Amino acid sequence: DGGITQSPKYLFRKEGQNVTLSCEQNLNHDAMYWYRQDPGQGLRLIYYSQIVNDFQKGDIAEGYSVSREKKESFPLTVTSAQKNPTAFYLCASSIEPRTEGFNQPQHFGDGTRLSIL
Amino acid sequence: EDKVVQSPLSLVVHEGDTVTLNCSYEVTNFRSLLWYKQEKKAPTFLFMLTSSGIEKKSGRLSSILDKKELFSILNITATQTGDSAVYLCAVVAGTYKYIFGTGTRLKVLA
Repeated sequence: DGGITQSPKYLFRKEGQNVTLSCEQNLNHDAMYWYRQDPGQGLRLIYYSQIVNDFQKGDIAEGYSVSREKKESFPLTVTSAQKNPTAFYLCASSIEPRTEGFNQPQHFGDGTRLSIL
Repeated sequence: EDKVVQSPLSLVVHEGDTVTLNCSYEVTNFRSLLWYKQEKKAPTFLFMLTSSGIEKKSGRLSSILDKKELFSILNITATQTGDSAVYLCAVVAGTYKYIFGTGTRLKVLA
């Protein structure tokens, strides 16, 4: 089945530690996204990537980093500079909007819940 | 600043009731409006709306968009406990710009 796989489901971070959240998709989508979801708030965009080896900051990129070495994979690193990392992190992908039109829904993974120890 | 506002924030109903969820938006470059259902984990896609006045329907769920008044509604008829979820509205406001509302938390009691 095609889809997006995020791992791990739960992650705990110690003070001063960097942690990496995995996101893999087999939908052959060019565009991938990382969102953060906090209680009572909408999804906020951290980073997105249009194509391999290219990515752009979203609204709340500070304290996070990403890479896009393969089309299928878009890992997110939460660095020690992110002082409030406790949240639910969602990865999404979509067909490249510019080639298929702008009106493309995103497909989401099941999320990773990150907490501070 | 682009924004999407959903109301109510939460709602408790009994099985069999009909509910209407609202989504209003102010964006500079509207492309489409999306509705998702989020239970515990991944939001799942429900509808995409691009044209005013055309109802999209799937079973007991339906949705319509008003581009003049800048809002959309999601209707659920004959609600069931399995409809309990957070319903998210998102507006596509540019090539990679998806703006999400805070969601409406719906609880359906047996």
